[in-house]
Amino acid sequence: AQSVTQLGSHVSVSEGALVLLRCNYSSSVPPYLFWYVQYPNQGLQLLLKYTSAATLVKGINGFEAEFKKSETSFHLTKPSAHMSDAAEYFCAVSEGSGGYNKLIFGAGTRLAVHP
Amino acid sequence: DAGVIQSPRHEVTEMGQEVTLRCKPISGHNSLFWYRQTMMRGLELLIYFNNNVPIDDSGMPEDRFSAKMPNASFSTLKIQPSEPRDSAVYFCASKGEASGYTFGSGTRLTVV
Repeated sequence: AQSVTQLGSHVSVSEGALVLLRCNYSSSVPPYLFWYVQYPNQGLQLLLKYTSAATLVKGINGFEAEFKKSETSFHLTKPSAHMSDAAEYFCAVSEGSGGYNKLIFGAGTRLAVHP
Repeated sequence: DAGVIQSPRHEVTEMGQEVTLRCKPISGHNSLFWYRQTMMRGLELLIYFNNNVPIDDSGMPEDRFSAKMPNASFSTLKIQPSEPRDSAVYFCASKGEASGYTFGSGTRLTVV
């Protein structure tokens, strides 16, 4: 079965600093990979997704992620953190065949941004 | 489109009572997923449907949990009887053939 591991359950950065949230996946086949963001008391919102096209994927709110097959990684980055980026971030891999694609989520990383 | 609609947003119930959570997927989406989110276990997939047919219910924790999708526009997740450990946020998501996953806002269930 496919799985994702998010390194660091909590990450704290200063406003304006680089954001780096780590995600490693395990998969025997080329995966589809996703990053979602969850603000307090809200549902999950898609930030970006990798579907075997370009390895560098740009998403909303200035986030991007790079698919590295050799490292089985899909880390999320943003050059300059904003206070509004404080939220929980989930990496996910799509598993399944025949069009039945269920998402398997990592444990999540809570991002704190301080002034 | 109004997105995936879940009801109720919050539910507080007593242990032993039956609880029914509801989900209306996005029109045209043919896959529907029920997830549970807790602090201890994160986001767990409970069950998913494709074209109203349950495909994988291996994540359903116990026989107390059941889910149905009688038509393409409605699904329910039922817990009977409910227990305090069922307290969690339950999310419904839907997906189309050529579209991504869309999550509802969730139902926060508290069993006392």
